Amino acid sequence: DSGVTQTPKHLITATGQRVTLRCSPRSGDLSVYWYQQSLDQGLQFLIQYYNGEERAKGNILERFSAQQFPDLHSELNLSSLELGDSALYFCASSSPGTANYEQYFGPGTRLTVT
Amino acid sequence: AQKVTQAQTEISVVEKEDVTLDCVYETRDTTYYLFWYKQPPSGELVFLIRRNSFDEQNEISGRYSWNFQKSTSSFNFTITASQVVDSAVYFCALSERGGATNKLIFGTGTLLAVQP
Repeated sequence: DSGVTQTPKHLITATGQRVTLRCSPRSGDLSVYWYQQSLDQGLQFLIQYYNGEERAKGNILERFSAQQFPDLHSELNLSSLELGDSALYFCASSSPGTANYEQYFGPGTRLTVT
Repeated sequence: AQKVTQAQTEISVVEKEDVTLDCVYETRDTTYYLFWYKQPPSGELVFLIRRNSFDEQNEISGRYSWNFQKSTSSFNFTITASQVVDSAVYFCALSERGGATNKLIFGTGTLLAVQP
């Protein structure tokens, strides 16, 4: 158990809908990262937050947004869903700072868009 | 550009065989970090090791060992006396120190199947 929690574990929804994925980092970790794992794109970095502020963006679609709350949990919002958004979404957290501490991953949320 | 290449898509071995998973990386940074993660069939990503670019010492942890060679930009992972529980997808990843983020750049993964 990495100490990072993600809910829900599975999510099935229809095209055009909006969903919210939730992540709670390990105790004491200030950085939260979101990654998407799909068959055609592999594991890709989406976005990073550090202590409530956006730190970096990767290949995140405009239909996707995220935020980190004062209690450090984070939410990833996916809207106008398309079939191609079906993927495993991981959240990871790391210790304070940007000194490349190892990232610990949550169990992931498997999103299926039908 | 940053890139991680895992040329081996799938490897199948019989239990107790040794197996090496290859990882080649590209980066323009002089300071960077390399990682290996394991993704078992249950789907979670399990951290295995982090290596700093300025430390080329090889590392051994039980049946696992890692060979880091800057001269060939490689960070290979060897499992000695493989076991069925080692069956998983293994990802190599790179993180650069220079920017504001330490996002991970992943390779495409190597699926290791250990047969009993």
